[in-house]
Amino acid sequence: DAGVIQSPRHEVTEMGQEVTLRCKPISGHDYLFWYRQTMMRGLELLIYFNNNVPIDDSGMPEDRFSAKMPNASFSTLKIQPSEPRDSAVYFCASSWTGRTGELFFGEGSRLTVL
Amino acid sequence: QKEVEQNSGPLSVPEGAIASLNCTYSDRVSQSFFWYRQYSGKSPELIMSIYSNGDKEDGRFTAQLNKASQYVSLLIRDSQPSDSATYLCAVNGGGGKLIFGQGTELSVKP
Repeated sequence: DAGVIQSPRHEVTEMGQEVTLRCKPISGHDYLFWYRQTMMRGLELLIYFNNNVPIDDSGMPEDRFSAKMPNASFSTLKIQPSEPRDSAVYFCASSWTGRTGELFFGEGSRLTVL
Repeated sequence: QKEVEQNSGPLSVPEGAIASLNCTYSDRVSQSFFWYRQYSGKSPELIMSIYSNGDKEDGRFTAQLNKASQYVSLLIRDSQPSDSATYLCAVNGGGGKLIFGQGTELSVKP
């Protein structure tokens, strides 16, 4: 299996621009998680899905952030408009019902907002 | 109080020593606990999971869980320079939600 695939790996954009991060989970996994990691705040859970349905989005910072999972093999995290404080590494991870805490992480998308 | 707390370190140990990493959590109903390792610039990877009180051993790694004290630890025996990384404690918050601590940076000196 190819593992969790994220794109882009690096994104540099200017304040106010729209950013879209993409994730393909491991085939057969029914949980998908979006995390954000910064030095100051560590690894924060933004939102997670089960069977393509958002279960908990309480970690989404504000309305500028949105996430979708239109099917079992694809999810997006969108930031519009982006701000410098959104600069971070965004990780997507997946797992399955039998082992929900055993996450497989993608390589991450490093976002820099100037 | 944070849901999952760890000393940020850095924790420095000599090669061959035992490294001890600690974690406390606030939610008494948590049932499953995990240790992830993250090398600099890489993504976290699972190294241990523990679901019941007591010890669980896997090679040089031992996870210890004490639910009454809400305490989880990770021992690394015969530490190697390749063990130098940040170790993240994670607790299942229910419904599949996994909450991570800030991580403890471990440095193993040759």
